Amino acid sequence: NAGVTQTPKFRVLKTGQSMTLLCAQDMNHEYMYWYRQDPGMGLRLIHYSVGEGTTAKGEVPDGYNVSRLKKQNFLLGLESAAPSQTSVYFCASSYVAGGPETGELFFGEGSRLTVL
Amino acid sequence: QQQVKQSPQSLIVQKGGISIINCAYENTAFDYFPWYQQFPGKGPALLIAIRPDVSEKKEGRFTISFNKSAKQFSLHIMDSQPGDSATYFCAAGGSFSGSARQLTFGSGTQLTVLP
Repeated sequence: NAGVTQTPKFRVLKTGQSMTLLCAQDMNHEYMYWYRQDPGMGLRLIHYSVGEGTTAKGEVPDGYNVSRLKKQNFLLGLESAAPSQTSVYFCASSYVAGGPETGELFFGEGSRLTVL
Repeated sequence: QQQVKQSPQSLIVQKGGISIINCAYENTAFDYFPWYQQFPGKGPALLIAIRPDVSEKKEGRFTISFNKSAKQFSLHIMDSQPGDSATYFCAAGGSFSGSARQLTFGSGTQLTVLP
């Protein structure tokens, strides 16, 4: 079972460069999310999607863009990377969103991004 | 702002001891309180969850205690084992201002269980 797969797992960028993180899930989940994890700050929601073709802003959306062209894929883009975006990024998916009934989030293993 | 405050930031427990992690929330619209466990190099995974209509839920050595009036909930790990060493995140789920339901996570607790 692949579950949620993130690529790449590691990336080093220079300030101002752009890149895209890819998330793929094979569980036919409607909801997908991008979180960033920073020491002492837990997991913060960047953007999320409630279905194919839809996206919405989370808690910390500035500097990021997302797209959900296919139900199984959720892309996170950085147009002009900044050192403040150095973080570990996690993609997650769920059958329903954050609720007690099958609202379990399934996470990928993370993508560690360093911006110099 | 829907915040979830988690403490302590780190916790060291001897094997066989009880580990206790506490969380507090402000918004009474939260109606789902899961705990996630994360091992180094891995993504978080659901450990146990509770709804606000019960005060306690137990699964094996893991117990959630929920105090609705105080807006607090806690994770108790009985007979802690070295294999429990991980980072634990509490979270709270709800729907706000007509947006899709979201989970808000606490800042995490790094648990180390000494052999």
